[in-house]
Amino acid sequence: EVQLVESGGGLVQPGRSLRLSCAASGFTFDDYAMHWVRQAPGKGLEWVSGISWNSGSIGYADSVKGRFTISRDNAKNSLYLQMNSLRAEDTALYYCAKDHRIAAAGMWGNWFDPWGQGTLVTVSS
Amino acid sequence: EIVLTQSPATLSLSPGERATLSCRASQSVSSYLAWYQQKPGQAPRLLIYDASNRATGIPARFSGSGSGTDFTLTISSLEPEDFAVYYCQQRSNWPPSWTFGQGTKVEIK
Repeated sequence: EVQLVESGGGLVQPGRSLRLSCAASGFTFDDYAMHWVRQAPGKGLEWVSGISWNSGSIGYADSVKGRFTISRDNAKNSLYLQMNSLRAEDTALYYCAKDHRIAAAGMWGNWFDPWGQGTLVTVSS
Repeated sequence: EIVLTQSPATLSLSPGERATLSCRASQSVSSYLAWYQQKPGQAPRLLIYDASNRATGIPARFSGSGSGTDFTLTISSLEPEDFAVYYCQQRSNWPPSWTFGQGTKVEIK
């Protein structure tokens, strides 16, 4: 069974940093791109960042570009999101999600499946 | 950037009724559209991919249709567990990015 377990969320002051982690199991981690998606309280879904299987291709939403850095450690089956210069508007539940497309079939897929349960980040003074 | 617009924002229906949800793209996305279901306190779950293909384990009462810019998610007969928020999603090729619609809430009338 595929499992994605996020951690690292918490309460942080504006301007500070936080690092999220996602531990993956139940599939060959380095065969798939991975993504972070967030959901502000009571709001919809927003894609934040994605990383290809070998870290060779990375994408960011404009709202986080230059502040957030996605990375992965295939030896540890783990995905990370380094969040710097945090703002109140970054307050959200952050989900880790697996890209559906296996690397041999292409760099990126069109949908995400499955998703983790999320880790909550609250940016407030 | 492709924008996805879902309508209606809220759909009030009774169990057993048919639900029709719309997702419109600001430019063609071919058939590369997915639908997700999200229940309170839960992560989103993939329902439909490539506009009309049900994901593994999704009941046959869920169906998707459309191509280009106009897409529909239909729930043929609502079960109590179907009352939730539904999102559509697409991918842009370059730079790689993924966008979601704002969601449609299906609530019990």
